[in-house]
Order: sequence, then C-alpha cells, then structure tokens
Amino acid sequence: DIVMTQSPLSLPVTPGEPASISCRSTQSLLHSNGYNYLSWYLQKPGQSPQLLIYLGSNRASGVPDRFSGSGSGTDFTLKISRVEAEDVGVYYCMQALQTPLFAFGPGTKLDIK
Amino acid sequence: QVHLVQSGAEVKKPGASMKVSCRASGYTFTRSPMHWLRQAPGQRLEWMGWINFGNGNTKYSQKFQGRVTITRDTFANTAYIEVSTLRSEDTAVYYCARYYGEYEAYDIWGQGTIVTVSS
Repeated sequence: DIVMTQSPLSLPVTPGEPASISCRSTQSLLHSNGYNYLSWYLQKPGQSPQLLIYLGSNRASGVPDRFSGSGSGTDFTLKISRVEAEDVGVYYCMQALQTPLFAFGPGTKLDIK
Repeated sequence: QVHLVQSGAEVKKPGASMKVSCRASGYTFTRSPMHWLRQAPGQRLEWMGWINFGNGNTKYSQKFQGRVTITRDTFANTAYIEVSTLRSEDTAVYYCARYYGEYEAYDIWGQGTIVTVSS
C-alpha cells in the first residue's frame, strides 16, 4: 500500500511571508498518461476539506493564484507565495493512483504567528 | 450550484448500527462516484468506500469489509453509508465526497456528520 508523509506537521507563518509544504509517497504517483495522481486539500477550522490542487499542479476553480503545486513521482510541494489569515487550517495531500486505497498524508497545520 | 448535504449528528451505543445520508444536487449524480471517508479525532482522513451512482456497484476498504454498506437512491439523489457493530473507535466525522474523474480528486464534500459511539 502507498503511504503518504508530509513535512512539516506544524507551520507557523507570518502574514505576507511564503510557506511550503512537502508531501512524499512510498511509490511513484506518475500515471502512464503523464499525470501525477496527487491532490492537495485545505481543511479550515470547523469545515470540510476543500480541493486546492489536482493532478499535482492544477489549481481548482476559485483557488487563489498564490497557491501552487509542483513535483512528480514521489516528491511533491505545495507553495503559498504570500500567506493570508484565511489560509489557516490543515493541509492534506492525497494519492489517487493506487485505487481503491485512496491515502491521505497526516496533515500540516498552518497557523499565523 | 453543486451541493452535498449530509444528515445530522448521531450518538450510538457500542454494538449498534448507524446510517448516514448524503443528498446531492446541482449535477448529474450518475456520472460521478460518491465516496465515503471519515476522520477520527486527531487522525488523518481515511477512505471507506465508494458507490457508482449509475449501476450501484460498490467497493470497500478491506478494513471495513463486512461491516460497512453503501447504497444509493437514484430517485432521491441520495447516497447512504451504514456501519454495523459500532465500537468506540468508530467515533469520527463521516464525509461524503464526489470523486471527479477528470481531476482524479474529490472536488465537492459534504458538511460532515459527527458520529459518537459511547456507552
């Protein structure tokens, strides 16, 4: 089974500063179609998760362009160019290559310094 | 607008069963499978199973095989998850989520249903 890990698990950030979260999988998430089956979600306090990034690097509808996803194979990164107060919450990566065992990372809690 | 609306919180005793509903609106629900996930306190999100809204085919996590049943009512645009023989470890927030094939990701989530298992 694919296992997902994230670092750091806690990320205090000053507003206006950049932030970066790493996600690693134990197996490559690169499909034969050339896409990485890796997505990113943000779970704001008291809310359901919301999709930020799909297929490794594509922003979902309505997601601000300060969010970007990159990486391939087993190593991925979510970057926020300038953190805003509304970005507080827990960020999860998820693999969808090895179905049906959709696996999430442990989450990275971002809060404001 | 696309929405998934789940049923309300439940409190159950160990050994009992629970059934949570998820009503879809705003899209052709037969075109996207509906998944169920849960999040226990302090734990990561955990995938439980899915249902093909069109033909009713299901797939479950091996962890829950035999204890979880996912069904759907196409006339009511609603999916259901039933978990039997509840134990305290089943205390969690249960989510339904639409799996969007073009994204290979969950693009729409229900609001979550808190299920508490306690004697």
